Amino acid sequence: EAQVTQNPRYLITVTGKKLTVTCSQNMNHEYMSWYRQDPGLGLRQIYYSMNVEVTDKGDVPEGYKVSRKEKRNFPLILESPSPNQTSLYFCASSLYLHETQYFGPGTRLLVL
Amino acid sequence: GENVEQHPSTLSVQEGDSAVIKCTYSDSASNYFPWYKQELGKGPQLIIDIRSNVGEKKDQRIAVTLNKTAKHFSLHITETQPEDSAVYFCAASRGSGGYNKLIFGAGTRLAVHP
Repeated sequence: EAQVTQNPRYLITVTGKKLTVTCSQNMNHEYMSWYRQDPGLGLRQIYYSMNVEVTDKGDVPEGYKVSRKEKRNFPLILESPSPNQTSLYFCASSLYLHETQYFGPGTRLLVL
Repeated sequence: GENVEQHPSTLSVQEGDSAVIKCTYSDSASNYFPWYKQELGKGPQLIIDIRSNVGEKKDQRIAVTLNKTAKHFSLHITETQPEDSAVYFCAASRGSGGYNKLIFGAGTRLAVHP
């Protein structure tokens, strides 16, 4: 089954404790992206990747890191999480930018 | 950079009525405009998209119109059903000149009442 998987689905952590949210797709897609969703603000792009080893900042990249060492994986790293990073996070992938983006199920993060 | 505004933020209709959601964008070079539907507890799913070389696209009860001069595009849902209740997001993208982002509107919560 074609899908985007994210882990974990729910995470509670404390300020400053490094964490990684994994994202994997099995559709051989070139384009992958991370978004955060906050009430009243819609989906805001954090980082995106056009292909392996090619990543770039979205609109809200501060406090986040990504890497794209393999085509299928695009982990999101929070080196020192802060409470303002409490949010619902979505990973998405598409063949190219202007094609259907397939979203993962989301990761709900609470930073205390 | 691109900015997308979406209206209304909430919309309530009776089953069978039509629903219209409107978005405006700021970057005249944007050329791809998708619409996503997000059901409770799930990730968004593409329902329809339009590219700048067409003015209208239809898929059964859903249609999207694009006015490039005015820089706005709209989603039209006819004969609404309770299962259409969800949050809808519009988005815009240029995809050229190193600008490879997809910018989303803030979303519209649609409620269809039986």
